[in-house]
Amino acid sequence: AAGVIQSPRHLIKEKRETATLKCYPIPRHDTVYWYQQGPGQDPQFLISFYEKMQSDKGSIPDRFSAQQFSDYHSELNMSSLELGDSALYFCASSLSGANSPLHFGNGTRLTVT
Amino acid sequence: SQQGEEDPQALSIQEGENATMNCSYKTSINNLQWYRQNSGRGLVHLILIRSNEREKHSGRLRVTLDTSKKSSSLLITASRAADTASYFCATDNSGGSNYKLTFGKGTLLTVNP
Repeated sequence: AAGVIQSPRHLIKEKRETATLKCYPIPRHDTVYWYQQGPGQDPQFLISFYEKMQSDKGSIPDRFSAQQFSDYHSELNMSSLELGDSALYFCASSLSGANSPLHFGNGTRLTVT
Repeated sequence: SQQGEEDPQALSIQEGENATMNCSYKTSINNLQWYRQNSGRGLVHLILIRSNEREKHSGRLRVTLDTSKKSSSLLITASRAADTASYFCATDNSGGSNYKLTFGKGTLLTVNP
């Protein structure tokens, strides 16, 4: 079965650079989520999209933005990177509505040096 | 604010033993879900229990939910070395709109062969 695809798997950037993370949800899933997970931490909700419209926003810095495109893939854009942005970034997708489990990709490990 | 809090933070057992992890949360929920994460990988959905359910089984997994105490437990019976992972509870308290999950801090389970 198709899973959530994230790219790249690893990314190394320097401070103040920009990064773009991509996510391809499971076909026919209409909701996409982005989570950030620091070392030894729980996943923190950043932002979600339902049918290509932003549906909810969590603890996402103003330096970050995201969008969902017509083919339902999503991109997380991160600018003015800081050392503290080093983390695993997960994309997940689901069908809309309550009681729908989230299906996670394997994440992008971002290292800011 | 953190919704789910797991305890213990770490648990080490021998193969064949049972493992119990607990989760507490603060607000009312629609459902509570448990996820598993192998080191550096994406989260995998294990089981979902609705707010009107008290117990649910799936294979070697048993989940209980006590909404009066705002707590849940995950029991893994007859553990195997392959069960070694971090386990997170996540709550949906969206009220039916802008569905998203809030994760707890997780329990690191080590099953020794």
